[in-house]
Amino acid sequence: AQKITQTQPGMFVQEKEAVTLDCTYDTSDPSYGLFWYKQPSSGEMIFLIYQGSYDQQNATEGRYSLNFQKARKSANLVISASQLGDSAMYFCAMRENTNAGKSTFGDGTTLTVKP
Amino acid sequence: DTEVTQTPKHLVMGMTNKKSLKCEQHMGHRAMYWYKQKAKKPPELMFVYSYEKLSINESVPSRFSPECPNSSLLNLHLHALQPEDSALYLCASAWGAPAVYSNQPQHFGDGTRLSIL
Repeated sequence: AQKITQTQPGMFVQEKEAVTLDCTYDTSDPSYGLFWYKQPSSGEMIFLIYQGSYDQQNATEGRYSLNFQKARKSANLVISASQLGDSAMYFCAMRENTNAGKSTFGDGTTLTVKP
Repeated sequence: DTEVTQTPKHLVMGMTNKKSLKCEQHMGHRAMYWYKQKAKKPPELMFVYSYEKLSINESVPSRFSPECPNSSLLNLHLHALQPEDSALYLCASAWGAPAVYSNQPQHFGDGTRLSIL
């Protein structure tokens, strides 16, 4: 069975600074994908960034980067130059090539950006 | 704007009512999902449709009845709900081919906020 662990229920960061949100995972499937989603208080779930299990390089998308350490089974999200609009809940998720591609989500981290 | 459209955005209903939630996508995705999400919690999977066939039912009570009339539409029929069913209901879609499940994200709608009186 797959498992995602996010150990930081809440995080604070000063505007314009960088922040790292932690995510560790467990799976026996050699092929999997790791995803980060942002959920503002309005409710929509926004896809941010993806890392494949066979990818050699860490994924980057604008101000978002993923620090992927396969041996440690971690996939931490780094947000650079934080903005007030980054305040939201962030979920780490994993999809495998079985079970109709359903996602396993972590418990989430609430990020608050301070002005 | 999201590419997955859910209606209505808000719904208040009594425990004896019958209502339906609707989800529509035009991205050609063949896998569609219903999730239930309580405040400050991760989404919980309810149902998965793969190529218009029910693929996974996560032991959801029968007062929730899913329907996939075609590859673009997903409905969730509600009947005799309980107060604990009040939550945000999220629909998602993704490419349906098993070989690419793991390298494609799910695309979520904005959700329907459901309140049961």
